[in-house]
Amino acid sequence: DTGVSQDPRHKITKRGQNVTFRCDPISEHNRLYWYRQTLGQGPEFLTYFQNEAQLEKSRLLSDRFSAERPKGSFSTLEIQRTEQGDSAMYLCASSPTNTGEKLFFGSGTQLSVL
Amino acid sequence: EDQVTQSPEALRLQEGESSSLNCSYTVSGLRGLFWYRQDPGKGPEFLFTLYSAGEEKEKERLKATLTKKESFLHITAPKPEDSATYLCAVSILTGGGNKLTFGTGTQLKVEL
Repeated sequence: DTGVSQDPRHKITKRGQNVTFRCDPISEHNRLYWYRQTLGQGPEFLTYFQNEAQLEKSRLLSDRFSAERPKGSFSTLEIQRTEQGDSAMYLCASSPTNTGEKLFFGSGTQLSVL
Repeated sequence: EDQVTQSPEALRLQEGESSSLNCSYTVSGLRGLFWYRQDPGKGPEFLFTLYSAGEEKEKERLKATLTKKESFLHITAPKPEDSATYLCAVSILTGGGNKLTFGTGTQLKVEL
């Protein structure tokens, strides 16, 4: 399967704990995106990378959130000191460098903060 | 501020009953308009990209159209397997990369 892969699919954690999610994009795609989606809403942009460079971060991304793409391949999204409001589906997507190209999404990581 | 509004929020159709979903947008400069389908517990799946007013694209029972202010997703003779949430998104000219701004979606239920 050459699609976008996310791990884990589900994560249940207690408030205050740290969590980390991984995304493996389509191999030839230079751009990688993180989105967050809550029930009944569309995905909201969090951040994106071109190769290993993080080029944009949303105001939604508080200081507790950090994302990395160390070698321009896979990416990790870490949430420190989780809060109940962090409960959501975290989606990763990738695209080619060509401007205007569609995004290919993974199946997401569903986070529940108790 | 760029805005994408979808209507209706939910739609229930009988099998074979054609209808349209609406996506209206207010953006500073449209680079492209995208339609995605999302099944419960899964990520969005790409359907169409439209770049300029007057453009149309078709795939099986779905047809997407674009004007300067809105896009329609027409569903002809739908089947139960078309049940899903349909998301509209825009990419803007001044936006970074291929960043998309999504609407809240239309939840479609097709019944036998």
